[in-house]
Amino acid sequence: NAGVTQTPKFQVLKTGQSMTLQCAQDMNHNSMYWYRQDPGMGLRLIYYSASEGTTDKGEVPNGYNVSRLNKREFSLRLESAAPSQTSVYFCASSEVRAGGNQPQHFGDGTRLSIL
Amino acid sequence: AQSVAQPEDQVKVAEGNPLTVKCTYSVSGNPYLFWYVQYPNRGLQFLLKYITGDNLVKGSYGFEAEFNKSQTSFHLKKPSALVSDSALYFCAVSPGSNDYKLSFGAGTTVTVRA
Repeated sequence: NAGVTQTPKFQVLKTGQSMTLQCAQDMNHNSMYWYRQDPGMGLRLIYYSASEGTTDKGEVPNGYNVSRLNKREFSLRLESAAPSQTSVYFCASSEVRAGGNQPQHFGDGTRLSIL
Repeated sequence: AQSVAQPEDQVKVAEGNPLTVKCTYSVSGNPYLFWYVQYPNRGLQFLLKYITGDNLVKGSYGFEAEFNKSQTSFHLKKPSALVSDSALYFCAVSPGSNDYKLSFGAGTTVTVRA
C-alpha cells in the first residue's frame, strides 16, 4: 500500500551542489507532478508529466530539471543548488480519466536545506 | 490564469462546534475544485472535489463543501469539529478536464481546542 514514495526524506546541501530527488508511484497513474511548499505560499508546481515520455514546465521551473524515467518514476534534479531552493518538495501522481480531473496522491515530501 | 484565495491564515474553534474554512477562486471556464488536508510532516491528503452537479459535495471524515458559482467560492465545512481535525487545509483549482495543473491557496491552519 505504498502509494507515492519519495527519497530521501531529508537532505542538506551546500550552495552549488547538485542533487536528484526521486519519486515512484505504484498506482499505475499516468500523470506525475513536482511541487515545492514554502511557508505562506501553498504549493507551487515546478514541473509535471502528463504521461510517460512528456514533461512540461509549471509555475516555478527555473533551476530545476526533471526526468520521467518510466511510468512509475519521475525525478527532480537541482543542477546547482541555491539557498532560495530551500523548501519542502512534494511529488504527486494522478490517473487520467475521461470526465474530469482526478485527485492527486502525494508523497510525504523531501525536506531540503541549502546552506 | 487561475488562482485561489484562502482569506484566513488561521481558524480556531472549540470541539463540537461547526468548522468553516473559506476559499474563493478565479478561473476561466468551469472550475474543478479540490480540498486537501495536510498533517505535520506528511503529504497532502484528498478530502473532496467538485466537478459538476450538486453544489454540496460530501467528502472524507465528515467534511463537506459548498460550491457557489455567483460568489466564486468553495467553502469547506464540518458540522461538529474534532480535535483530530487540527491540520493545514488547502483549497485548489484547475481550469478544466484537459488541464491537470492545480493552483493551490496559501493554506489555512485549523486548530480545534478540546
